[in-house]
Amino acid sequence: GAVVSQHPSRVICKSGTSVKIECRSLDFQATTMFWYRQFPKQSLMLMATSNEGSKATYEQGVEKDKFLINHASLTLSTLTVTSAHPEDSSFYICSAEAYYGYTFGSGTRLTVV
Amino acid sequence: SQQGEEDPQALSIQEGENATMNCSYKTSINNLQWYRQNSGRGLVHLILIRSNEREKHSGRLRVTLDTSKKSSSLLITASRAADTASYFCATDPNTGNQFYFGTGTSLTVIP
Repeated sequence: GAVVSQHPSRVICKSGTSVKIECRSLDFQATTMFWYRQFPKQSLMLMATSNEGSKATYEQGVEKDKFLINHASLTLSTLTVTSAHPEDSSFYICSAEAYYGYTFGSGTRLTVV
Repeated sequence: SQQGEEDPQALSIQEGENATMNCSYKTSINNLQWYRQNSGRGLVHLILIRSNEREKHSGRLRVTLDTSKKSSSLLITASRAADTASYFCATDPNTGNQFYFGTGTSLTVIP
C-alpha cells in the first residue's frame, strides 16, 4: 500500500534555531499533503494543507512565517519550524492523499530546549 | 507505522440508517480518538475516549472502548448524506511516543 516516510522521528534543537521535517510519499504521487501537530494528551490539530506547486493553506492561528511549508514535488513536502521556541515542542505528523484514501507519516517529536 | 485497523474498509448505507465502524489496536493506550476526513480536506477531530472510559456520546456519535479486546467502535445514528467521509481511529500509546492511525473506513451515505 501507499507509504509516507516522515523524517526525523525525533529532534532536539536549541531555542532560536530552525528545524526541517520531511514527508515523502514513497510509492505514489501526493498532490496534497496535510500537516498536523499534537500537544501531549490532546488531539491532532490541522496546521496547513500543502499543495504541490502552490502555496500552502494555513489554518487560522497558524503563523505561516513561522511554519514554512514547501511542496516542491509530488513526492516531498517539508515543514520548517523557524526560530523555534520551547512552546513549539510538540508532535508533528504529515498525511498524504493516496489512491485509496489517506496515509500518515510516523510523526516527528520536536523538543526545543 | 500504523497499528490500528478499521473494519469495514468501506461502508455504504441509506440516509437515516445507523453506521457502525470498528477499530482494533495492538498496544496499551492512554486514549483513543476518532477523526473524520472529507475528500481533499484535513482531519477533523470527533471524539476522544480515555482508557478508563467505556462509552462516550457526542451528538449522534457513540463511541465504545473495550481495552481487554483492544477494540473500539464508532456508531453514527440517523446518518445523513453529509456524513459521507473517511473515518479514522487513532491511538495514543502509553509509551509516550508515536501516535498511530488506523487505515480508515470510507463511509458513503446515500440520500
